[in-house]
This record gives sequence, structure tokens and C-alpha cells, in this order.
Amino acid sequence: SYELTQPLSVSVALGQTATITCEGNNIGNKNAHWYQQKSGQAPVLVIYRDANRPSGIPDRFSGSNSGNTATLTISRAQVEDEADYYCQVWDTSVVFGGGTKLTVL
Amino acid sequence: QVQLVESGGGVVQPGGSLRLSCATSGFTFNAYGMHWIRQAPGKGLDWVAYIQNNGRKKEYADSVKDRFTISRDNSKNTLYLQMNSLKPEDTALYYCANDRLGIDNWGQGTLVTVSS
Repeated sequence: SYELTQPLSVSVALGQTATITCEGNNIGNKNAHWYQQKSGQAPVLVIYRDANRPSGIPDRFSGSNSGNTATLTISRAQVEDEADYYCQVWDTSVVFGGGTKLTVL
Repeated sequence: QVQLVESGGGVVQPGGSLRLSCATSGFTFNAYGMHWIRQAPGKGLDWVAYIQNNGRKKEYADSVKDRFTISRDNSKNTLYLQMNSLKPEDTALYYCANDRLGIDNWGQGTLVTVSS
């Protein structure tokens, strides 16, 4: 079955840029989506189809997808960006990455 | 305003059954595919099942295939998950969600605990 690999944790200084990766075999040939989940809350879609932001998502969030890696980039990181982040694709079924805990220092 | 409200969770013994419901409003229900996704305490997201907008196509995670059944009633804007032969490893918060751009909108979840 298809697998997505994310780092367990990423730390970023306040105001700096955080990068969260999602590795999967030829993931660049699939549409990658990203979700933010804050503590005790339901997930929220922050990037869809590799690089698109739903309405209401700050333009500090961006995405890319090529080769074997999809990437979520959070520019000018804020305290409120501290959360778990999950990547997701459709293979023969829906697949989620294991999640990355983002800490803003 | 999009709303998805899950119900039907609870405590059940191993081997038991539960039926979850997800009442929706604020969007055209019959235009969206729908998912059930679960999250065990302290763990990541685990996709469970998907149903196409017209109900014709259904897909399941291998871990629940032949035990769970996803269905929908487009006249009631409601999604269902029938869960049979429940196992302790099915213990989780179960979310329903709609699918258009990605998995766009999520409910707040209903907790299922499988324990003797």
C-alpha cells in the first residue's frame, strides 16, 4: 500500500520560515493536500492540489509538489501556526501522512 | 455556513455494533463525496471510508472492509457509518468530512470506545 512519510517534528523561530516535507513514491504525479490540526480541534484544509489555498487561509501558507516530495511552507511563522500538519493523497484509497508537530519558538 | 455534526458514538463491547450519523447543512450535500476519518487518542489521522455523491461508489480502508458500511441519504443530507464486529483498535474519534477541493470541511467528531 502507498505510504507517506513526514518528519515527526519541526521547529521554527517566530517570524521565520518553516518547511514540512511529505515523501512518497512519485508523489509529484498525485494531488497533495495539507491539513492543520490544532490541539483539541478538527483538521482544517490549508493547501489543496499541491499549491492552492482555500479562502480564509493566510498567504503565508504555500505548497509545492515534485518528484518524491511534497512540501508545505509557512512563511513568517506565527504562534497560532503551532499545530500538527498532515499531508494526504489519493492512491487507490485515501492516504494520510503520519503528521508533523510544528513548534514555534 | 457549512456544518457537519456527528452523533452515535459511545462505549461498546468488542464484537458489538454502532451506527454513526453525520447531519449536514450549509452546502449542497448531493454534490459532494463524503468521508469518514478517525483518530485514535494521541495518534494521527486514519481514513476509514468514502462514498461518492450519488452513493454508487464506495471505498474502504483494508482495516474496516467487510465490517463497516458507509451510506448516505441525500434526501436527509445525512451520512452514515454502520460499524459491526468492533475491535478495541477501532477506538477513536470519528470525523465525517466532505470532499471537493480536498477534504474540505470536517465535523467535530464523535467518540467510539470499544472496551469490555
